[in-house]
Amino acid sequence: QVQLVQSGADVKKPGSSVKVSCKASGYTFNRYDISWVRQAPGQGLEWMGGLIPISATPKFAQKFQGRVKITADDSTNTAYMELSSLTSEDTAVYYCARGGVSGSHLGWFHSWGQGTLVTVSS
Amino acid sequence: QSVLTQPPSVSGAPGQRVTISCTGSSSNIGAGYDVHWYQHLPGIAPKLLIYANTNRPSGVPDRFSVSRSGTSTSLAITGLQAEDEADYYCQSYDSRLGGSVFGGGTKLTVL
Repeated sequence: QVQLVQSGADVKKPGSSVKVSCKASGYTFNRYDISWVRQAPGQGLEWMGGLIPISATPKFAQKFQGRVKITADDSTNTAYMELSSLTSEDTAVYYCARGGVSGSHLGWFHSWGQGTLVTVSS
Repeated sequence: QSVLTQPPSVSGAPGQRVTISCTGSSSNIGAGYDVHWYQHLPGIAPKLLIYANTNRPSGVPDRFSVSRSGTSTSLAITGLQAEDEADYYCQSYDSRLGGSVFGGGTKLTVL
């Protein structure tokens, strides 16, 4: 079955960067979008961006353009999300999620990682 | 402010029926893009509840259903159970923004 396992919780200083990993198994990694969705405390779900590994061309939410980098390593079936210039407003649980339709950014999120808490604090 | 609008909260007694609306615009739901729904319990990953408007993944009971009209869609939950208490989110694609968008989420309380 599809499984996404994320890296552990992290604490970062304002102005720094964080990199979260998401190791996938149980499906053909290259063919499906891996998106990143975050939930800040008391807030709803927010899509940040996604990448279909075989295309290597990510899509980003306008809010995060220029500040987020999404990559994938198909030799290890692992996706990465790196967010830079962190502020306290970036404190959130970050989820990776696999798309539901092969080769498409337009679909649903079929499976989710367990979430990674990133705390930004001085 | 979310692109898709949901009521912040709904409630119902066990056994009752509740609905959760999700209202979009001409660049997402109104443009015909599929809508998907998720159930989110605190501390665990969101769970896909409905995909491509009306489809339920295996294991999701038929107590969960969806109706759609114009720029809105609604999730209906019949025969409410205590285990249904959770946050519910709708999600679609927005052509103006060029990516996925979520509703603000609705907290369902089972009285």
